[in-house]
Amino acid sequence: EVQLVESGGGLVQPGRSMKLSCAASGFTFSNYGMAWVRQAPTKGLEWVATISYDGSSTYYRDSVKGRFTISRDNAKSTLYLQMNSLRSEDTATYYCTRGGSCFAYWGQGTLVTVSS
Amino acid sequence: DIQMTQSPSFLSASVGDRVTINCKASQNINKYLDWYQQKLGEAPKLLIYNTNSLHTGIPSRFSGSGSGTDFTLTISSLQPEDVATYFCLQHNSGFTFGSGTKLEIK
Repeated sequence: EVQLVESGGGLVQPGRSMKLSCAASGFTFSNYGMAWVRQAPTKGLEWVATISYDGSSTYYRDSVKGRFTISRDNAKSTLYLQMNSLRSEDTATYYCTRGGSCFAYWGQGTLVTVSS
Repeated sequence: DIQMTQSPSFLSASVGDRVTINCKASQNINKYLDWYQQKLGEAPKLLIYNTNSLHTGIPSRFSGSGSGTDFTLTISSLQPEDVATYFCLQHNSGFTFGSGTKLEIK
């Protein structure tokens, strides 16, 4: 069974940093592209970043370019999202998803709240 | 950037009804359109990928159609467990979600 378990969310002040993790199991992690998708409270879904199966290629939405970094450790079957210079508009539930194109499986999400 | 216009934003229907939800892309996205279901308090779940391919374990009452810029999700016979918000996603160029359709039982 495919499982994706996010961790690392919480309350953070504007301008500070936070790192999210996503532990994957139930599939060969190193074979798949992975992505982060977020959802602000009571809002719709927004793609954040994607990384290729081997980590050689990364893609970001414009609003997080230069602030967020997606990475992966295939030996640990873990996906990461390093978030720097956080803004109030980054407040959302962050979902880890499997897939470089369509998002076939999702974690339960971790809530990031950016507030002073 | 490609924009996705999803309609309606809210839909109320009776059990057994045929339900359709639409997404229109601002430019040609070929077949690269998926549909997701999100129940209250849960993570989204993939229903249909690449316009009309049913994801593993999804009931056959869900189907997708369309091409180019206009796409449709159809539920052939609405069930109580289908109450959810539905989103489309284009992945032809980058990734853009539709704004969502909240589906309720009348």
